[in-house]
Amino acid sequence: AQKVTQAQTEISVVEKEDVTLDCVYETRDTTYYLFWYKQPPSGELVFLIRRNSFDEQNEISGRYSWNFQKSTSSFNFTITASQVVDSAVYFCALSEARVESSYKLIFGSGTRLLVRP
Amino acid sequence: DTAVSQTPKYLVTQMGNDKSIKCEQNLGHDTMYWYKQDSKKFLKIMFSYNNKELIINETVPNRFSPKSPDKAHLNLHINSLELGDSAVYFCASSPRTSGSSTDTQYFGPGTRLTVL
Repeated sequence: AQKVTQAQTEISVVEKEDVTLDCVYETRDTTYYLFWYKQPPSGELVFLIRRNSFDEQNEISGRYSWNFQKSTSSFNFTITASQVVDSAVYFCALSEARVESSYKLIFGSGTRLLVRP
Repeated sequence: DTAVSQTPKYLVTQMGNDKSIKCEQNLGHDTMYWYKQDSKKFLKIMFSYNNKELIINETVPNRFSPKSPDKAHLNLHINSLELGDSAVYFCASSPRTSGSSTDTQYFGPGTRLTVL
């Protein structure tokens, strides 16, 4: 069965520290997609990144970077020089095999990040 | 300019009532979804529709009935509400998936349902 594990329930850092959020996944599919979403205190789910299983290149977007390693089934997310506005719950998700034109997102339990001034 | 919108944002109701949550997307997407987020923040898919056709139906009580009048709308009707239905319900949409590609799901702002 497919599964996403975010072992860190809550992380607290001081502003400007770097922080890494871990994500480990399990799947039997050879083709799959991984996602990160951010849920700020206001409650909406904001898409951050999508990565397919054939693309193991790391990605950087401003202060955000993602490290995808198939060998360890991990897709970790690093925030460099964290800011108070980064405080949110971050979800890692795995796409389950497609059913026609739909697919399920299997979410991890989320990591709550608190960035203190 | 809202991409995926839901109404209402908050819904407080008594046990046993029937209620609906509406979702609309203006992204031109073909596929829409409902997810439930429980009090521990755990997110789980409930349904998906593609071009008004039900595709995914997870193990959800029959009291929950999605309805898609057109591909831009996916409403969720809940009969005989129970305390355990209290949660945040998220609507999402994604483009039509073609080939082996899987497109991103974009989420609405959520509807917080409280059953008293």
